[in-house]
Amino acid sequence: DAGVIQSPRHEVTEMGQEVTLRCKPISGHNSLFWYRQTMMRGLELLIYFNNNVPIDDSGMPEDRFSAKMPNASFSTLKIQPSEPRDSAVYFCASSLENPPDTQYFGPGTRLTVL
Amino acid sequence: GESVGLHLPTLSVQEGDNSIINCAYSNSASDYFIWYKQESGKGPQFIIDIRSNMDKRQGQRVTVLLNKTVKHLSLQIAATQPGDSAVYFCAETTYNQGGKLIFGQGTELSVKP
Repeated sequence: DAGVIQSPRHEVTEMGQEVTLRCKPISGHNSLFWYRQTMMRGLELLIYFNNNVPIDDSGMPEDRFSAKMPNASFSTLKIQPSEPRDSAVYFCASSLENPPDTQYFGPGTRLTVL
Repeated sequence: GESVGLHLPTLSVQEGDNSIINCAYSNSASDYFIWYKQESGKGPQFIIDIRSNMDKRQGQRVTVLLNKTVKHLSLQIAATQPGDSAVYFCAETTYNQGGKLIFGQGTELSVKP
């Protein structure tokens, strides 16, 4: 199994540009999670999906952030427009929903907004 | 004002010694707990888990202890190696949370050769 796959691994963009982060969960997993990690705030859950349906997006910072999961093998996290304070490492993780099970993390996308 | 980063608790041990990393969890209803290891530049990696019907579980060189009375979780690493140097996170969840984990702030383990 290839594990959770994220792309790109690194993204440098300018303030105001749109950024799209991509995630392919582990095959057979029905829950997908997006996290953001910064030195200031640690590891924060942004949103999670069960069976492709968004369940809890209370961690999404603001309307500039949106996430989709069009099918069981793909999800995107989009920031539009991006701001310097969005600079962070963004992780995607997947797991089986029931019973609550281990979340397996991808390698992350390091985003730098200039 | 000036922003400051998180100051993670740090544990420094000599190679070959045993390490104990502690975690106080927040929800008395939590029934599933996981320890993760995060090396620099990588995503959190699963180490070991434990369900609330157990108070101890052992893996290879690692043991997790759960004390539900005081909401305390610990990770013991035997014969600590330089490759164990990383940040360790505990995480908790309940069966009705749909898999949503609550992470602790992390502890940085530094192993001196």
